[in-house]
Amino acid sequence: GQQVMQIPQYQHVQEGEDFTTYCNSSTTLSNIQWYKQRPGGHPVFLIQLVKSGEVKKQKRLTFQFGEAKKNSSLHITATQTTDVGTYFCAGGNTDKLIFGTGTRLQVFP
Amino acid sequence: DAGVTQSPTHLIKTRGQQVTLRCSPKSGHDTVSWYQQALGQGPQFIFQYYEEEERQRGNFPDRFSGHQFPNYSSELNVNALLLGDSALYLCASSRGPYAPLHFGNGTRLTVT
Repeated sequence: GQQVMQIPQYQHVQEGEDFTTYCNSSTTLSNIQWYKQRPGGHPVFLIQLVKSGEVKKQKRLTFQFGEAKKNSSLHITATQTTDVGTYFCAGGNTDKLIFGTGTRLQVFP
Repeated sequence: DAGVTQSPTHLIKTRGQQVTLRCSPKSGHDTVSWYQQALGQGPQFIFQYYEEEERQRGNFPDRFSGHQFPNYSSELNVNALLLGDSALYLCASSRGPYAPLHFGNGTRLTVT
């Protein structure tokens, strides 16, 4: 079945450093979504990418969808302590949304 | 405008028992998806309900069943509970089957 993997599994950064998480699907996706889950919380929708090669920005966050629509990345510039949490990509294919393994981000002040 | 609400928040059951979890979608949403999240893992897709029918199902046994009511609320039933069913069960609603998901706070199920 469809698998969605993310790397790295964990990332510890100093506040102000940049952070990137990568997402790879075993199958071509119709769309990719990104979610953030704070410790003890539930996933919160960040953004959806649909087009091949699409790039979207939200303040310090930059999201990219690969040309082959099988991979994606999330880049955070100048991390802040409020960025702490686990970032999940979720690949849309037919009617299922399959979540990736997640990247847990820890930011040290 | 209430978001997605789930009940109960916590539940402790014994192996072999049955459990029912409930979910009310966000106002204006007609689709409900259920996910299981084990500690430290990503949410695993159980199934999705739209127009009161199960549209898609993940790799979960038939012990996991669900229902969607005319008011779009949904239930997740798990029979013959196993220790491995202990997890956070997340309900997510959306405006249609392909739209971004809005999650509830989840039900933490512990099977002893």
